[in-house]
Amino acid sequence: GQNIDQPTEMTATEGAIVQINCTYQTSGFNGLFWYQQHAGEAPTFLSYNVLDGLEEKGRFSSFLSRSKGYSYLLLKELQMKDSASYLCAVHNQGGKLIFGQGTELSVKP
Amino acid sequence: DVKVTQSSRYLVKRTGEKVFLECVQDMDHENMFWYRQDPGLGLRLIYFSYDVKMKEKGDIPEGYSVSREKKERFSLILESASTNQTSMYLCASTSGTDTQYFGPGTRLTVL
Repeated sequence: GQNIDQPTEMTATEGAIVQINCTYQTSGFNGLFWYQQHAGEAPTFLSYNVLDGLEEKGRFSSFLSRSKGYSYLLLKELQMKDSASYLCAVHNQGGKLIFGQGTELSVKP
Repeated sequence: DVKVTQSSRYLVKRTGEKVFLECVQDMDHENMFWYRQDPGLGLRLIYFSYDVKMKEKGDIPEGYSVSREKKERFSLILESASTNQTSMYLCASTSGTDTQYFGPGTRLTVL
């Protein structure tokens, strides 16, 4: 079957670093996406990992280990506007995405 | 700038009504998708389409149908709306090798 797990909720402090983990077991794998979704809005693209390793993009970084079925999203220098839901999604065959249930991140002052 | 639009942000319908949700993209993408998003369940794929007149069932197609008569437009149809179809509906499109771009969503309430 297809299974993608990520924590339901996380809380962190402004200025800190937070790591959101995602583990997956899927029948096919072409890559892994991370999306950010603010309440009431559409998901927006953050990162896409195809190969193992760390991809850095400003304050956000994403890591992938295909052998372990594991990814994480790292957010540095947290800001209040980073409070949102973060969605992990496996890119399956044919352009289909399989989503985790999302991690609701609350950033406190 | 990429753009995916959906016909309504909020919609209220009654049980048994036929409901049409429209999605239009201006990126000439071949692939289009309809999801529903519910608390604790994440995004679940209802239907998708790889080309005009083509459609494929996703993970939860029951109670829904779709139409893709033109490349830029993908419609989701609820033949007879039920209360368990109250949800946020999101449309997305992609060229297949790129990220999926999402529309703003339609929050549907069925009374």
